[in-house]
Order: sequence, then structure tokens, then C-alpha cells
Amino acid sequence: NAGVTQTPKFQVLKTGQSMTLQCAQDMNHEYMSWYRQDPGMGLRLIHYSVGAGITDQGEVPNGYNVSRSTTEDFPLRLLSAAPSQTSVYFCASSYSIGGEAEQFFGPGTRLTVL
Amino acid sequence: SQQGEEDPQALSIQEGENATMNCSYKTSINNLQWYRQNSGRGLVHLILIRSNEREKHSGRLRVTLDTSKKSSSLLITASRAADTASYFCATDIAGKSTFGDGTTLTVKP
Repeated sequence: NAGVTQTPKFQVLKTGQSMTLQCAQDMNHEYMSWYRQDPGMGLRLIHYSVGAGITDQGEVPNGYNVSRSTTEDFPLRLLSAAPSQTSVYFCASSYSIGGEAEQFFGPGTRLTVL
Repeated sequence: SQQGEEDPQALSIQEGENATMNCSYKTSINNLQWYRQNSGRGLVHLILIRSNEREKHSGRLRVTLDTSKKSSSLLITASRAADTASYFCATDIAGKSTFGDGTTLTVKP
């Protein structure tokens, strides 16, 4: 099992550009989520999904879109990048909703917006 | 505002010593989890403790939960240099996980 994979590992964008961060898991987990982690801080939930076709907002959803067309994939789209979105982004999956079971995390994507 | 807050923010100890870090939270929970994050990596799950449990062990880890005080503690015994990492507690509100800002542990060889 590859677990949770994320691409790219690093990305530099200019303000106003858009891009998609990819996330995939091969554990057949229903629950997937996206977090951002700013320096010296914990993770903040951006969006999450409890199954294919179902997504919901987390704590900091503005400026981000998600979709869940398959169980395996959960891409995160930045619509118009801003310097405030410079952060490390982690995708996670779990067989149950967020707090009921351990979450498996990807290695992260380091995004810099100039 | 953060649901879970860890204390202390940073902790430096010698190899072989015990390390204790604490987590406080604000609302009632069903369970609480602890994660470890090595520098530049993703988080790794350490242990989950449910609201009806008071203590749980896993190897050199001991977690306690006091729901009356809305607090949890993580004890790492006989620490090793490899334990150097950031440690986070996570709680769940309506299916959404909330993480604290973490305790950065440095274990000196």
C-alpha cells in the first residue's frame, strides 16, 4: 500500500494563479480531509469529505474548492492564489469520521505564493 | 479559536529522561488523539483515548484523560534522540478534527 500520496511536493505560484493539489489514497477510506499548517502552528481544517460526492467546509475554506468524484481521490483547488495561502498542505484519510479513528497523513505539499 | 492547546510550547530534555506534555480543550469530546510530526514530514498517529477511558499505554507512551478538567497528558518515558519531534493533540467536534499548536520536544543525546 502506498498510503496517502500528494503531488506536487513543492510549488511556487504567482498571485492570482490557480492550481490543483492532488491527493490519493489506496486504503479504501471513506473520510478524507485537507489541512494547512502555517509555521509553528497546528493544522487547520480546510475541507473534508465523508464519501464520494459529499464534501463540506472546515475551519478555513475561503479561497479553496474541493470535489470527490471517487473514493480514492480528493483534489484541492486554489482558485486565485494569494500570499496568505503560502503554507504546507496536508491531505489525510481515515476509515471513519475525523475523530473516531486515526488519520493517515500524506507527506505534504509546500506552497509558496509570491 | 483552537479547541486543543498544548503546553509547554517547547521542551528540551536529556536522553533517558521522561517528557510530559499537556493538552487542554474547551468543549466535551468523544475521544482525543495524539500525533507526532517529525520535521518536514506529515503527522503520524500515536494513540487514541476515548472519553470513558482514563489512561492508556502504548510502548513507552502513556496518555491520561481527565474529562472533568478537559485535559490530557502525554508521557514519553526513557526518551531517545529519535523522539525529537512536535507532538499534537487532536479533538473532534461534529466529525471535524481540531489540532492544537503542538509541543516541540528536543531530546539531547
